[in-house]
Amino acid sequence: GAVVSQHPSRVICKSGTSVKIECRSLDFQATTMFWYRQFPKQSLMLMATSNEGSKATYEQGVEKDKFLINHASLTLSTLTVTSAHPEDSSFYICSAPPPGQWGETQYFGPGTRLLVL
Amino acid sequence: SQQGEEDPQALSIQEGENATMNCSYKTSINNLQWYRQNSGRGLVHLILIRSNEREKHSGRLRVTLDTSKKSSSLLITASRAADTASYFCATDIYDKVIFGPGTSLSVIP
Repeated sequence: GAVVSQHPSRVICKSGTSVKIECRSLDFQATTMFWYRQFPKQSLMLMATSNEGSKATYEQGVEKDKFLINHASLTLSTLTVTSAHPEDSSFYICSAPPPGQWGETQYFGPGTRLLVL
Repeated sequence: SQQGEEDPQALSIQEGENATMNCSYKTSINNLQWYRQNSGRGLVHLILIRSNEREKHSGRLRVTLDTSKKSSSLLITASRAADTASYFCATDIYDKVIFGPGTSLSVIP
């Protein structure tokens, strides 16, 4: 079945550095992908919609200059956390709807755990 | 963004008992989905119910949807220790999937 992967699965970085997280659709093309953030013991919060070939759409309260999203191809979206701070430590999850299944289920990546020291 | 509520926030039951979780939402939806998440792991899609459906079954899972009350319930029958996880409802709104706050289920062997 359709699979979405994320890389890396876990990253530890120093405060002030930038971290890039990749989200790939492995056997289908995804013109749209979604990025979520999940703090411990909380639910997933939608951060932004990544659109292939155009700018991402950010949810209210999400800083677009801090969380840079690039959807360079039909199988890859990247989220870059710029100048990361400890409060950015979280679990980041991407998802993508398989083609022809808009409004149906989405496939979620396994998540990337970011720890900023 | 999140919409709605889930209750209870936490539920602890004995193995073999049934577990019922409820979800409410605020806006009109295309469908409602339930997901499971084991601690610190990714999401597992459990079941999708469309806005024109009222009840759906999958194995030990039973989901109901009441669009007039904007609510849904997830029933897990004959629970097992392996069912221990967080359960989230999620609604599809304008092709975005928005998650509820979740219910943490503990099944005690």
